[in-house]
Amino acid sequence: GQQLNQSPQSMFIQEGEDVSMNCTSSSIFNTWLWYKQDPGEGPVLLIALYKAGELTSNGRLTAQFGITRKDSFLNISASIPSDVGIYFCAGLNYNQGGKLIFGQGTELSVKP
Amino acid sequence: KAGVTQTPRYLIKTRGQQVTLSCSPISGHRSVSWYQQTPGQGLQFLFEYFSETQRNKGNFPGRFSGRQFSNSRSEMNVSTLELGDSALYLCASIQDRASYNEQFFGPGTRLTVL
Repeated sequence: GQQLNQSPQSMFIQEGEDVSMNCTSSSIFNTWLWYKQDPGEGPVLLIALYKAGELTSNGRLTAQFGITRKDSFLNISASIPSDVGIYFCAGLNYNQGGKLIFGQGTELSVKP
Repeated sequence: KAGVTQTPRYLIKTRGQQVTLSCSPISGHRSVSWYQQTPGQGLQFLFEYFSETQRNKGNFPGRFSGRQFSNSRSEMNVSTLELGDSALYLCASIQDRASYNEQFFGPGTRLTVL
C-alpha cells in the first residue's frame, strides 16, 4: 500500500534534547497531520497543517508544511520521558475523501 | 464526551474463520474510517463510511467488508481469515466531510489469526 517516507525509523535520545523527524512524498497533499501512538492505543492527533509553508506549534512541538507540499517535519524541543512513543506523519488529499496516507513511523525513546 | 469505542479489544481466530469488529464513533460524528496496522505495512486505509454509504475504499481484497448503521456505528467483517490478517484494526471517527483533518482514533482491536 501507499506510504510516506518517514525518517528516522527510530531515535534514542537523552531527556532535554531536541528531536527532529520528517516525511517526504512523491505526491502533493492538501493537509499534513502528525500523530503520536502509545502502546496499546490508537494514534492521537498532535498537529494539523493546512497550507504550504505553514509553521505551527503545539507546546514543545513544532511542525511545518513543506513549500512543495510534498514534505513536512516535526520538531520536539526539550524532550521529556512522556514523549516516548511512535510518531506518524499522515497526508490527506480532499479529493480522496478521508483517506489518510501514513508514514512508517518514528519510534522515540527518551533516556531520563 | 465519550471517545471512540471499539469492541472487542482482543480477538483470536483460526484460519478460515470470519470475524466482525465494531466501532462506535464519537456522538454526533457521521463518518467512520477503518485502518489496518501491521509491523510490515504500517497503517493502511481500508474504507470509509458516511451516512451509511461507503465513500472510499482502499486496496484490500473483497474478504474485507464493512457497513455503517443509521446511528453511525460501523462494523467491519473479514471472511476466510488468513495468517496475514493478524493486525491492529483501528477506526477513526470524523464529524463530517469538512472535518477530514480531525480524525479521532479508537484504541483498536488486536486480531490474531492462528
